[in-house]
Amino acid sequence: SQQGEEDPQALSIQEGENATMNCSYKTSINNLQWYRQNSGRGLVHLILIRSNEREKHSGRLRVTLDTSKKSSSLLITASRAADTASYFCATAGTSGTYKYIFGTGTRLKVLA
Amino acid sequence: EPEVTQTPSHQVTQMGQEVILRCVPISNHLYFYWYRQILGQKVEFLVSFYNNEISEKSEIFDDQFSVERPDGSNFTLKIRSTKLEDSAMYFCASSEDGSRTEAFFGQGTRLTVV
Repeated sequence: SQQGEEDPQALSIQEGENATMNCSYKTSINNLQWYRQNSGRGLVHLILIRSNEREKHSGRLRVTLDTSKKSSSLLITASRAADTASYFCATAGTSGTYKYIFGTGTRLKVLA
Repeated sequence: EPEVTQTPSHQVTQMGQEVILRCVPISNHLYFYWYRQILGQKVEFLVSFYNNEISEKSEIFDDQFSVERPDGSNFTLKIRSTKLEDSAMYFCASSEDGSRTEAFFGQGTRLTVV
């Protein structure tokens, strides 16, 4: 698999439920970021978690990072219809690289 | 809140024509990036730029592409002779300290080559 693959590819839930998306990657990272993209729009930065961190929170978002398993998860609690979007993880490698590699994304649909 | 701005939001061009996509990064950021996203596909890295030089580029970023920081605020991507397969959304991003910090993206320029 390629660096940064999310699963599931698509997720449909009812408003008020929690949504969990996972990201796996292959090489060592400095940090991992999560982005939201509404259909055909720009990438909105959600949260950055560094390789020495295990969990971070921002509002209704909770991100975990397990470097031993090379995986991260994004949890959105109490989802709203407005959370409907695609969610991407992006990894930054260790020193000597100046890029972020994006995963394939999870399309989340929150039904009202 | 500071943001990355891109112009135009949508550009239609004839195959073989040159296009310049423009970006104004966040003012205190030193690293700049271009990415593209073909409809329905992954966000792909094109190039990163720091201190008036290309830091890293992907295999997509061939001789048809060039980047420039013509003044203290703008960052441009030029495609010399567009092909149909260049049709995509192009995103500019900037970060304060390379890939060690958050990258903030613009709203994108949708390029359509006809």
